[in-house]
Amino acid sequence: VIWMTQSPSLLSASTGDRVTISCRMSQGISSYLAWYQQKPGKAPELLIYAASTLQSGVPSRFSGSGSGTDFTLTISCLQSEDFATYYCQQYYSFPWTFGQGTKVEIK
Amino acid sequence: EVQLVQSGAEVKKPGESLKISCKGSGYSFTSYWIGWVRQMPGKGLEWMGIIYPGDSDTRYSPSFQGQVTISADKSISTAYLQWSSLKASDTAMYYCVYGSGSFVWGQGTMVTVSS
Repeated sequence: VIWMTQSPSLLSASTGDRVTISCRMSQGISSYLAWYQQKPGKAPELLIYAASTLQSGVPSRFSGSGSGTDFTLTISCLQSEDFATYYCQQYYSFPWTFGQGTKVEIK
Repeated sequence: EVQLVQSGAEVKKPGESLKISCKGSGYSFTSYWIGWVRQMPGKGLEWMGIIYPGDSDTRYSPSFQGQVTISADKSISTAYLQWSSLKASDTAMYYCVYGSGSFVWGQGTMVTVSS
């Protein structure tokens, strides 16, 4: 099983801030990483896959980077609609796994 | 358009059986993995397992092995998640997810198990 450490678990930020969320793997996964946004009562929405490929329709303020064991999701200029919970997910090997989640709240 | 449509919410008693479904459309159902994700109330996302409908190859996460059964009927492009004996701790939202990269999610099925 590939273990994932996502940090921070809670991030307090203001509109306009640049925020970064980290995801570290217990072993290398090449670029088989996805990032999701989830709002209360809704299904997760895919933001990024293959570590850095922006899903169609996702604003360009979202970006992903990294390969191997260390990955980052960056929101360049936080908007009000971005306050949500974010998850990373590896799909390099079974069982696929998620990070523990990062809640981005209003400071 | 690729779409996954899940069956509706369920309310069950402990010990009852249940099978929920996820119907795919807009893509070749047999060509990609389809899996199930659990989200307990107020908690994070957990992969339960995945199935490759083309040959029914099924993989379970260790926590869910023996607890649920994942299956698929490729003739009707539908995947299933099944319990033989529900517990109160199975109360959760369950999502089906398709793909291997550009993942597509169903809308979720809420399962409530209560006496």
